[in-house]
Amino acid sequence: EADIYQTPRYLVIGTGKKITLECSQTMGHDKMYWYQQDPGMELHLIHYSYGVNSTEKGDLSSESTVSRIRTEHFPLTLESARPSHTSQYLCASSWQGAGTGELFFGEGSRLTVL
Amino acid sequence: GENVEQHPSTLSVQEGDSAVIKCTYSDSASNYFPWYKQELGKRPQLIIDIRSNVGEKKDQRIAVTLNKTAKHFSLHITETQPEDSAVYFCAANPGGGADGLTFGKGTHLIIQP
Repeated sequence: EADIYQTPRYLVIGTGKKITLECSQTMGHDKMYWYQQDPGMELHLIHYSYGVNSTEKGDLSSESTVSRIRTEHFPLTLESARPSHTSQYLCASSWQGAGTGELFFGEGSRLTVL
Repeated sequence: GENVEQHPSTLSVQEGDSAVIKCTYSDSASNYFPWYKQELGKRPQLIIDIRSNVGEKKDQRIAVTLNKTAKHFSLHITETQPEDSAVYFCAANPGGGADGLTFGKGTHLIIQP
């Protein structure tokens, strides 16, 4: 079944560690997005990609980086995690684009930095 | 950039009653307005959307209305049921052909039995 997968679902790490949140989709979509969801549930776009080798920063400034080497894979990396990075991170993909058609979200990765 | 305001932040209604969530947007060029539902511990999912060339759209118990002049759109849920309890997000695109969505801050809808 076509879906969008995120790993890990939950991660607790210490300050200064490097982490990578994985996102893979079998939807066949070119457009992929990372959203940060704060405890108040608000969604903020932090990165997006329109295809292989395309990456852009979103509305919310983030110290994370992304890469898009394969169409189905859009990992997010934090080189040195801090407590301020504690949040839920949602990956999403779309065929038409977020501003035109449906966004399909993954189940999220909940990150806690101690 | 686009700014989307959503009200109320929390809405509690009796089961069977109607619920209305309201949003305003700032960019007059916006032309796509989706609504997403996020149940506790689950991922957000699209429940209905409307484009600027129509004023109203219905899908069973849910409907969305759009007033382009006032830059205002609303979600209406009739005959609410316990499974309607969730956080609802409105969103608007930036218009002008640009991609992306700006989300409202969300409304926590509570259905009282």
